[in-house]
Amino acid sequence: DVKVTQSSRYLVKRTGEKVFLECVQDMDHENMFWYRQDPGLGLRLIYFSYDVKMKEKGDIPEGYSVSREKKERFSLILESASTNQTSMYLCASSGQGFYEQYFGPGTRLTVT
Amino acid sequence: KNEVEQSPQNLTAQEGEFITINCSYSVGISALHWLQQHPGGGIVSLFMLSSGKKKHGRLIATINIQEKHSSLHITASHPRDSAVYICAAVNYNQGGKLIFGQGTELSVKP
Repeated sequence: DVKVTQSSRYLVKRTGEKVFLECVQDMDHENMFWYRQDPGLGLRLIYFSYDVKMKEKGDIPEGYSVSREKKERFSLILESASTNQTSMYLCASSGQGFYEQYFGPGTRLTVT
Repeated sequence: KNEVEQSPQNLTAQEGEFITINCSYSVGISALHWLQQHPGGGIVSLFMLSSGKKKHGRLIATINIQEKHSSLHITASHPRDSAVYICAAVNYNQGGKLIFGQGTELSVKP
């Protein structure tokens, strides 16, 4: 079974803090994705990565950056957290040429 | 208009009923993904299909590429099927990026 894990289920941070969300997958997948999910807006893609050290902006990259130093790990960074970044963050991965995405359990981030 | 539209947005059913959730898309796609999300939970992949029909237990997914339409059916529904069901179009030309529908919130009453 594919397993995608995220570093925290719940996180509370203060405005202006630097926040790291980590995602790890154990299936040697090439592709990894970060989404945020908000009521009424559904799932929106923040960033994705096709390979180590490669990254592509998604639909809403502003205020976020990512890092992929190892194939299994994809980190989402909020350089200076703001209250409008309070959301559920979901990571996903998929294999090359096989695009079924497998999702992590999500991190509910609250910025106060 | 969204590129991927689901209907209905909300659905309440009695236990045992046959349920259908529809998904229409206006973009060229390579495949369609059906996902399930329980309250407070992560997202589980149910199916990915590019033609015909797939079945897993009480769940059946069909797709008609010419009509740009897919359906998810649940037979003999059960309260544990209560969840949000999301369809997402897969665009191979964009590295497998997903274009999501708004989701259908299903509640199955005992």
